[in-house]
Amino acid sequence: AQTVTQSQPEMSVQEAETVTLSCTYDTSESDYYLFWYKQPPSRQMILVIRQEAYKQQNATENRFSVNFQKAAKSFSLKISDSQLGDAAMYFCAYRSASGSQGNLIFGKGTKLSVKP
Amino acid sequence: DVKVTQSSRYLVKRTGEKVFLECVQDMDHENMFWYRQDPGLGLRLIYFSYDVKMKEKGDIPEGYSVSREKKERFSLILESASTNQTSMYLCASSSGGRNQPQHFGDGTRLSIL
Repeated sequence: AQTVTQSQPEMSVQEAETVTLSCTYDTSESDYYLFWYKQPPSRQMILVIRQEAYKQQNATENRFSVNFQKAAKSFSLKISDSQLGDAAMYFCAYRSASGSQGNLIFGKGTKLSVKP
Repeated sequence: DVKVTQSSRYLVKRTGEKVFLECVQDMDHENMFWYRQDPGLGLRLIYFSYDVKMKEKGDIPEGYSVSREKKERFSLILESASTNQTSMYLCASSSGGRNQPQHFGDGTRLSIL
């Protein structure tokens, strides 16, 4: 079975600085999808960024980018120019490209604090 | 924008009660999901559905059942609520493509007394 590990329960970053959140996963599959979700305090979980495993190029979305290392099974999230609104729980998630209908496997999350 | 609406943000029930959590999505998504979120445990899948009247067990289905009579609505049922079911419950929906993200509701914080 696939597993997702986020080794940093909590992280802190100074406003305007850069922070990297770690995520590793375990799978025997070659085709899959990876996601980072953000859950602000008492607010809805939203998608930050996604990566297809067959793509070598790292995904980017404005200030958010990933470092996808398929051989190492690593999928870290980099947040540049951190803003106060980036404070949230961040979840890394894996989805198989085969098998059942697309349920996600989540890590336990990293709580990010942003200091003004 | 996709909207996933959960019927209650906060709910307090008593042990042994039958509890219904409702979820409605407005984007004609095929897939719908119920997760439970607990501190330090992340999100764990309870049940999911990929079509009307179809359902599959997730990782922690014990003590729960689901109903999907219409495409837009997915209900989670606690047959006989217990205190260990006190948690945050999240509903999500997605279209059929595997690279498509799941869209989440605001969550229901359920307390069983």
